[in-house]
Amino acid sequence: EDKVVQSPLSLVVHEGDTVTLNCSYEVTNFRSLLWYKQEKKAPTFLFMLTSSGIEKKSGRLSSILDKKELFSILNITATQTGDSAIYLCAGRIRNEKLTFGTGTRLTIIP
Amino acid sequence: GAVVSQHPSWVICKSGTSVKIECRSLDFQATTMFWYRQFPKQSLMLMATSNEGSKATYEQGVEKDKFLINHASLTLSTLTVTSAHPEDSSFYICSARGLAGGPVDNEQFFGPGTRLTVL
Repeated sequence: EDKVVQSPLSLVVHEGDTVTLNCSYEVTNFRSLLWYKQEKKAPTFLFMLTSSGIEKKSGRLSSILDKKELFSILNITATQTGDSAIYLCAGRIRNEKLTFGTGTRLTIIP
Repeated sequence: GAVVSQHPSWVICKSGTSVKIECRSLDFQATTMFWYRQFPKQSLMLMATSNEGSKATYEQGVEKDKFLINHASLTLSTLTVTSAHPEDSSFYICSARGLAGGPVDNEQFFGPGTRLTVL
């Protein structure tokens, strides 16, 4: 059975801190790893990672995939209160099915 | 571009009634739509994969007779929760995957979700 595990489950930091969110996966016929940010409604797409070792960046967010260790991290630098959300990672397999992790609830304290 | 809508955004119904939720891709065609359910403080769980013009594929543990899925066109899939009970109360989210080679080639886009409360 496909499994995606995220850690920590929740994280509370002060504004300006840097955070690292973890995602490990065991997904048959793995194709790519996706990160999403979920606030009050449906998830919004952040990154899709297909190749190992290539960092993807978008502003203060960056992510990288390690296909040997079956692991990905999402980094957020200089955090802001608007970064407070649930961050989800999902493994995508060849038929496009997504298996989501439990999410990390990030809270940024002003 | 690549907008997915859901209707209604929230619904409250009595136990035993049926509720239909629509998922539409507004500006692209989607051969495949996915239906997820999310309980409070839990992650999204895939319920079924819906392919246009064919029967949906349900995940293990999801009752196909209770959660009826119809994908009649390339822009519309519906999920009907039949004989709803309080334990069906949840946040239902769809995603739509664009046609291969199309303007949103193979990417999945999520709808805003439908919050169902069964009294």
